[in-house]
Amino acid sequence: RKEVEQDPGPFNVPEGATVAFNCTYSNSASQSFFWYRQDCRKEPKLLMSVYSSGNEDGRFTAQLNRASQYISLLIRDSKLSDSATYLCVVNGGGGSNYKLTFGKGTLLTVNP
Amino acid sequence: NAGVMQNPRHLVRRRGQEARLRCSPMKGHSHVYWYRQLPEEGLKFMVYLQKENIIDESGMPKERFSAEFPKEGPSILRIQQVVRGDSAAYFCASSPDRASPQHFGDGTRLSIL
Repeated sequence: RKEVEQDPGPFNVPEGATVAFNCTYSNSASQSFFWYRQDCRKEPKLLMSVYSSGNEDGRFTAQLNRASQYISLLIRDSKLSDSATYLCVVNGGGGSNYKLTFGKGTLLTVNP
Repeated sequence: NAGVMQNPRHLVRRRGQEARLRCSPMKGHSHVYWYRQLPEEGLKFMVYLQKENIIDESGMPKERFSAEFPKEGPSILRIQQVVRGDSAAYFCASSPDRASPQHFGDGTRLSIL
């Protein structure tokens, strides 16, 4: 099983659509979870941290299920500017909590 | 308030040459991390440094690669005798402590001819 596995994509959606990304991770010791976005040939940028209780930031909602080691990201009312690759990221847990493990990412294109 | 600064943005080297990649962390950040992104792959952890110390280099290839973060100046990732397989984007990240979210620089895109 890959350390962090994401929907392979790509996703093409019209403006205003709701889109969901799924991610699973293999390291049960992981303690911190994040969604980053990466624009083409740019650096990853932190979108949001993911908490066990679920959290929302505007149009973005993240969920975490520790029992099934599953993370999700929901984007509502998608905008053209949401077009990017979305990266699911978990930390190493325990003494390696600084070590981030990235999924390969899911490419989203929002069309006018 | 400058973010993580990496230079150069693009670096071209011939096989057998040396590549030096530089990273200045965000102001107030003393923890630096290097990641490598091969084409069509996710970012992979390479090394974690604090000032003058290598904390974890478990992701570094055993040969040709080294990293440092001196008391003064930027962190340096050094690749000796580069080969075609070293072509990748190298990202540096920094944080104020090891548990806080990491902020990434623009990356250095290394191309080996």
